[in-house]
Amino acid sequence: RKEVEQDPGPFNVPEGATVAFNCTYSNSASQSFFWYRQDCRKEPKLLMSVYSSGNEDGRFTAQLNRASQYISLLIRDSKLSDSATYLCVRGYTGNQFYFGTGTSLTVIP
Amino acid sequence: NAGVTQTPKFHILKIGQSMTLQCTQDMNHNYMYWYRQDPGMGLKLIYYSVGAGITDKGEVPNGYNVSRSTTEDFPLRLELAAPSQTSVYFCASSLNQGSPNSPLHFGNGTRLTVT
Repeated sequence: RKEVEQDPGPFNVPEGATVAFNCTYSNSASQSFFWYRQDCRKEPKLLMSVYSSGNEDGRFTAQLNRASQYISLLIRDSKLSDSATYLCVRGYTGNQFYFGTGTSLTVIP
Repeated sequence: NAGVTQTPKFHILKIGQSMTLQCTQDMNHNYMYWYRQDPGMGLKLIYYSVGAGITDKGEVPNGYNVSRSTTEDFPLRLELAAPSQTSVYFCASSLNQGSPNSPLHFGNGTRLTVT
């Protein structure tokens, strides 16, 4: 099983829609989780860290389910500017960060 | 605050030549990483370092070398460049690895073509 698995999509949604991505991970000892967004041929940029209790930043909500070993990202009221690839990342002390292959989102006018 | 700085931004290399991709960070981060990303693909870890003087191989280290003589700098050396090394290279750093308060910070990338 891969360290981190994501549905590659693509997800094509209309403006204003709500869209959710899930990411599963294989190591129950993982301590940190993040969502990054990556625009075409640019560097990944941190969207948000994922905390155990779940956290929200404007239109974005991240959740962590340790029992089922997955994290999720919910985007409400999608904007054209949300079109990007979303990367799920996990890490734990003394080891590498592991990246999912990314989920492609296109928001359509 | 510059963050993670990579040079050059673009480079064309001939087969068999060597070059060094530079990476420096000014955040006093312990951990530094080199990734490559081929078109339409995910990030693959080449090498990483947990502190000055310590480096370790990632998923795809063949054809590359690194050194970490200072906390700030983590250069990536390509020896005998091959077309398969055509890629976008990202350097990243983090303070540690086990906290959601310590994410990866990326440089802008180096777009390398070997021809």
